[in-house]
Amino acid sequence: NAGVTQTPKFQVLKTGQSMTLQCAQDMNHNSMYWYRQDPGMGLRLIYYSASEGTTDKGEVPNGYNVSRLNKREFSLRLESAAPSQTSVYFCASSGTGGWGNQPQHFGDGTRLSIL
Amino acid sequence: KNQVEQSPQSLIILEGKNCTLQCNYTVSPFSNLRWYKQDTGRGPVSLTIMTFSENTKSNGRYTATLDADTKQSSLHITASQLSDSASYICVVSQRGNNRLAFGKGNQVVVIP
Repeated sequence: NAGVTQTPKFQVLKTGQSMTLQCAQDMNHNSMYWYRQDPGMGLRLIYYSASEGTTDKGEVPNGYNVSRLNKREFSLRLESAAPSQTSVYFCASSGTGGWGNQPQHFGDGTRLSIL
Repeated sequence: KNQVEQSPQSLIILEGKNCTLQCNYTVSPFSNLRWYKQDTGRGPVSLTIMTFSENTKSNGRYTATLDADTKQSSLHITASQLSDSASYICVVSQRGNNRLAFGKGNQVVVIP
């Protein structure tokens, strides 16, 4: 019953460093998403992948890149980390049937601090 | 502009008491509304979904209501337990557009 697994759980970076956040799901879902969650703000969509082989920008894509490696895995990369990217990052997945019609299943997040 | 507004932002309730959380939205055209529960340090988990034709839906001690005319939803927690301490997030889906509008959440703290 793993669901959505995110690694790492915590990370501290220095400004300018790069890193990749990993996400994998075992529910055979077609759609996957990356969100960031900041204090006092709702979840904001960074990128999404409606199906294997496709990716699209969300609400706040600047400073990020994604890769849909296969149906199970969807990674998020910060090429040159900035303090404004300090946040909690959530990966989610959902089955077919429209965005809202199927629940999104979330991982437990990666807590990223950039100094 | 935030298309989903939740109130109150936070509340503290005694164990065993009831509480009601509000969600007002401006998303149009409306497809559905979902409530998620997010425990501290965890990802959100779906509690219930409300479609246009549904007025009330229950999931254990959680009861959601929807008034699509006034664009309002509520989540009622009955006989609260310590495990109900969490953030409750209202998410509205727009019909015909692959986008979700997230509220900022209602932070609930249940004290013994």
